Amino acid sequence: GAVVSQHPSWVICKSGTSVKIECRSLDFQATTMFWYRQFPKQSLMLMATSNEGSKATYEQGVEKDKFLINHASLTLSTLTVTSAHPEDSSFYICSAPPSGSGTQYFGPGTRLTVL
Amino acid sequence: RKEVEQDPGPFNVPEGATVAFNCTYSNSASQSFFWYRQDCRKEPKLLMSVYSSGNEDGRFTAQLNRASQYISLLIRDSKLSDSATYLCGVTGANNLFFGTGTRLTVIP
Repeated sequence: GAVVSQHPSWVICKSGTSVKIECRSLDFQATTMFWYRQFPKQSLMLMATSNEGSKATYEQGVEKDKFLINHASLTLSTLTVTSAHPEDSSFYICSAPPSGSGTQYFGPGTRLTVL
Repeated sequence: RKEVEQDPGPFNVPEGATVAFNCTYSNSASQSFFWYRQDCRKEPKLLMSVYSSGNEDGRFTAQLNRASQYISLLIRDSKLSDSATYLCGVTGANNLFFGTGTRLTVIP
């Protein structure tokens, strides 16, 4: 299957700092990528849809000014958690469907811990 | 109403048992359906797509019932290694919605 990478795999930061997470499609191009968040023992919750060359689409209840998304190229999307707080601690996962495919492939996830 | 509803379980079954999971979805226009497996602290991995006619992959059988708007996953002859959380995925207009996941533990 297609390969999606994420970096970093885990990060610990102080409250108030910003954290950038990268999502890359390694062997295919993706005009769209998706960002999910998963709290312990809960399901994946879609945060936003990242669109190459245009603004991201955010799900209801997700603050676009707090979770900045930049889809810089057909293989890279970044999520920046600005002014992180402990309640932002979570498992952040990106996914991407190869063009023309309905199947989503997930990155390995980034575990964020905000102290 | 949630896009996708799934019984969170947990399901604890003995080795060799047959177990089935269901998901219901609310959008009748949904076109693509999937089952993913997620191990603890890992990302979901695609287990299988679900086709209208039903499909089988070894011990795993997936079915779709459009009239009742649900999909199912059947696991036969459960192995210890099947212990994981199983998530159903249903496409919306431009994205994929997941159920809460059903946790399966296969007991020796």
